[in-house]
Amino acid sequence: TQLLEQSPQFLSIQEGENLTVYCNSSSVFSSLQWYRQEPGEGPVLLVTVVTGGEVKKLKRLTFQFGDARKDSSLHITAAQPGDTGLYLCAPRRQNDYKLSFGAGTTVTVRA
Amino acid sequence: NAGVTQTPKFRVLKTGQSMTLLCAQDMNHEYMYWYRQDPGMGLRLIHYSVGEGTTAKGEVPDGYNVSRLKKQNFLLGLESAAPSQTSVYFCASRPAGGATGELFFGEGSRLTVL
Repeated sequence: TQLLEQSPQFLSIQEGENLTVYCNSSSVFSSLQWYRQEPGEGPVLLVTVVTGGEVKKLKRLTFQFGDARKDSSLHITAAQPGDTGLYLCAPRRQNDYKLSFGAGTTVTVRA
Repeated sequence: NAGVTQTPKFRVLKTGQSMTLLCAQDMNHEYMYWYRQDPGMGLRLIHYSVGEGTTAKGEVPDGYNVSRLKKQNFLLGLESAAPSQTSVYFCASRPAGGATGELFFGEGSRLTVL
């Protein structure tokens, strides 16, 4: 069983501030996905990172996959209330049908 | 485009009762999954299926059974509900292939067991 940790568990910030959430593991992964879940809805895929050291940007969101493919971070610049939600990381192994998720980071952006 | 549809959306059961949650997807996906979500614990995999007629256990399978008689449907059954099964249940599907495929989720089914 892989050890997967997301931190922090909760994060509350003011609109306009920046934030970073982390996803760490002791295992190496072939890829990693980030999902966002809004209250009352199912998670929705934000991004998939595949290559060690890869950086992907999605508007104000920047995702990075660690060089060793054991960890990842999500940075939000100038957060807005619409960024409020539960951010879940989902590491992936090739040919692994059991798709698991981290416990998530609950982000609240106050107007 | 419906995507992944779960029924029912809400249900209250008494301890010992049985029920079935239905998940239907119209995207012709091979793989389907049932997760439960509890506060502070993210999504935990209950059972999954990699094709019609096949199912397998996930991380927390005890107390649940599943069936995949048709490719588009994945049923989750509780034979004798317990309060510990109070949770929000999510179904998801994805196409066959590599590990980078996107998971598409339903809106969830909130189950309360009294």
